[in-house]
Amino acid sequence: KNQVEQSPQSLIILEGKNCTLQCNYTVSPFSNLRWYKQDTGRGPVSLTIMTFSENTKSNGRYTATLDADTKQSSLHITASQLSDSASYICVVSASQGGSEKLVFGKGTKLTVNP
Amino acid sequence: DAGITQSPRYKITETGRQVTLMCHQTWSHSYMFWYRQDLGHGLRLIYYSAAADITDKGEVPDGYVVSRSKTENFPLTLESATRSQTSVYFCASSEFSLATGELFFGEGSRLTVL
Repeated sequence: KNQVEQSPQSLIILEGKNCTLQCNYTVSPFSNLRWYKQDTGRGPVSLTIMTFSENTKSNGRYTATLDADTKQSSLHITASQLSDSASYICVVSASQGGSEKLVFGKGTKLTVNP
Repeated sequence: DAGITQSPRYKITETGRQVTLMCHQTWSHSYMFWYRQDLGHGLRLIYYSAAADITDKGEVPDGYVVSRSKTENFPLTLESATRSQTSVYFCASSEFSLATGELFFGEGSRLTVL
């Protein structure tokens, strides 16, 4: 069964600190992995899209890593800011029966406190 | 303004009533999608469309109807709303298929069915 598991479910950190969010997936065949940021009451916004051949991809203070062998990804946030408070959703693209589908994780809720 | 817009943002209705959620995008993206987001679940695909007049079921289509007579519009109709359809609904669009295309989400429509 195609699944995406994210950990932790929630995380509280102080402003300026770094943090790492985890994503494990059992999706095959794998097409790509995406990280989205969703602010409260808003729609998800794409942070990164990583293909099989990409190990690391950065978007400002956000750095995503992908280990396709262990089927794990992480999202590292450097020097956190209050505006980083949001849910972060890991999404894996799978190919099934000739059609593509996206498998969504349940998200990690990050709170950055001053 | 360019982008993807949903209306209404908030809707309260009663069991058995028909409700239509509107979605409009200005990018002329071929692909459009409807997702629902509930606590304890990742985003789940209701219906999607690869082009005008082409629609297909996602993983949770029961109780919903869609149409796409124009590329830019993709309304979602609940023909007889039930309490289990209380959710936040997100419309999304993509220039390409899910395999390669970046997904752009609207701000969501929060529906409460009493």
